[in-house]
Amino acid sequence: LAKTTQPISMDSYEGQEVNITCSHNNIATNDYITWYQQFPSQGPRFIIQGYKTKVTNEVASLFIPADRKSSTLSLPRVSLSDTAVYYCLVGREGGSQGNLIFGKGTKLSVKP
Amino acid sequence: ETGVTQSPTHLIKTRGQQVTLRCSSQSGHNTVSWYQQALGQGPQFIFQYYREEENGRGNFPPRFSGLQFPNYSSELNVNALELDDSALYLCASSFGTSYEQYFGPGTRLTVT
Repeated sequence: LAKTTQPISMDSYEGQEVNITCSHNNIATNDYITWYQQFPSQGPRFIIQGYKTKVTNEVASLFIPADRKSSTLSLPRVSLSDTAVYYCLVGREGGSQGNLIFGKGTKLSVKP
Repeated sequence: ETGVTQSPTHLIKTRGQQVTLRCSSQSGHNTVSWYQQALGQGPQFIFQYYREEENGRGNFPPRFSGLQFPNYSSELNVNALELDDSALYLCASSFGTSYEQYFGPGTRLTVT
């Protein structure tokens, strides 16, 4: 199972772009990269998933370099409501969700 | 909000007792996964049910068991409760083994 490493915490200000980088050096060929967001006392919420290059949706962008050993979640123009824990997960589609390992995540604090 | 619901919201039990937690999956989803989340930690995978069969299990003892019903709702049963079982229990539903999971709000279990 691919292990991920991400910063424990990050601080930002409203209106700024936030980039959270995740390292996954032993990612396998069939692994996808998935990001979740979790607010206190709530279940995690799916943000975005990708395999290579760049993926963008209405919430975030995910940048994956050619070697796929890392990925960067980009949140444009954050607001106070983006204060949450962000999890990077790596796993093979089609396998059990047990292939997805949630670490401690990155606690993002957005200040006014 | 997702269409995943969990009951009860909060529960207090005594060590040695048994508990049953319930989850209703989002419409159209046939897979349910259960996670345990201790304070300050990421969710830990307990097990997954796909079409009423267990389809993967994390590192949890047999006293953690589950069921999935024909309507794809699910139960998590924990026997012989221990103090360390105190946690937020999350249910997540998905279609097949997709990593795009929809989490419920969780059940906060306190064992005294």
